[in-house]
Order: sequence, then C-alpha cells, then structure tokens
Amino acid sequence: EVQLVESGGGLVQPGGSLRLSCAASGFTFSRYWMSWVRQAPGKGLEWVANIKQEGSEKHYVDSVKGRFTVSRDNAKNSLFLQMNSLRAEDTAVYFCARIVGDGTVLDYWGQGTLVTVSS
Amino acid sequence: QSALTQPRSVSGSPGQSVTISCTGTSSNVGGYDCVSWYQQRPGKAPKLMIYDVFKRPSGVPDRFSGSKSGKTASLTISGLQAEDEADYYCCSYAGTYTLIFGGGTRLTVL
Repeated sequence: EVQLVESGGGLVQPGGSLRLSCAASGFTFSRYWMSWVRQAPGKGLEWVANIKQEGSEKHYVDSVKGRFTVSRDNAKNSLFLQMNSLRAEDTAVYFCARIVGDGTVLDYWGQGTLVTVSS
Repeated sequence: QSALTQPRSVSGSPGQSVTISCTGTSSNVGGYDCVSWYQQRPGKAPKLMIYDVFKRPSGVPDRFSGSKSGKTASLTISGLQAEDEADYYCCSYAGTYTLIFGGGTRLTVL
C-alpha cells in the first residue's frame, strides 16, 4: 500500500525557516517524480514544486523560487522541502504527492502538514 | 499564471448529473491533453478522479467522466450520490514540468 506521511510543520515567525519531510513507503520511491502542493486555510490547491527521480531536475512555482528548495534522499525514501524567508502568505497545509504518467498526474497524496507563519 | 477558472459551487439532487467546468488558456488546458481532476473531502487529502482529460484510475466509479474542448475541460458526475459531496479541483500541465490548479468547486448534493 502506497503511503506518504508528511512531518515538520509548525508555527514560525515571518522571515524564518522550516524543513518539511515526507516519508514514502509501499512503492519504489526512486522511480518516481515527486511533488509538493499546498493549500492555504479555506483556499484552493496550489502546486509548489516537483523533483525528478534522481533529484537532478527541480521546478518551482514563481512565488517560492529562491526561497524554497525541494530535495530527496532515495536511500531513505524521503522527500524534503526547505522553506526559507517565510511569509504570512506561505501559511498552508503542505501535501507531498507522487507523480505518475508523463509527469502531470498526482496519484497518491499524503495527509499534509500545517505550516503557520505568524508573529 | 492565474489559477484555472472553475465555478465556486454547483449542486444537484441524488440521481441527477452535474458538470463542473475548468477554463484555462492556450498555455495550459488548451495546449495539452493533461488535465486531471481531484476530489477533496473536508480535512482530507485530495483524491485523483480523472487524468489525461478522460481516463479513470482503478476504483473510481464510471459515473465520473471527463472531457475537454479547446481551453475548457469538464468533469461530469452522473447518477449523483450523497457521497459525491466534496470540493473538486481541476489541474493542468502548464509547460516545463509545472502544474496549475483551478480554484475549486464545492459540490452540494441536495
């Protein structure tokens, strides 16, 4: 059974940093692109970042470029999102998701971890 | 890019059909046959319902169908059931391995 479990969320002050983790199990993690998607409270979904199987290729939504870094450790079946220079508008539940097909389909999602940016 | 445009809400009675539209541009919906739809119940993770415009993952009832015409994709749910009440989001490939979501549609089963 495919499982994705996020962790690392919490309360952080504006300008601060946080590192999210996503533990994957039930599939060969190293064979898949992975993604982060976020959802602000009461709002819709927003794609944040993708990372290729070996980590050589990464893509970001414009609003987080230069502040967020996606990475992975295939030996530990883990996906990460390093978030720096956090802003109030980054407050959201962050989901990790597995990508299949031609890189456009998110077939499995974790339950999410809440990040709150506030003073 | 701005989010894809979806109606904020739709409703229908049990047994009826409803259609949710998702309008984008030639840079996303109109440019690729890579539209997917996700169902999200309150407090839960999104669930993939349709991908590549019209394909259904295993386990998704055939009451759910997808289509696309030009820059607008659509999700149709026929034989509406109470359990279909949820938020629905469309998502399109937007080039260079980026994705863009719609603003979401709240489906109410009357």
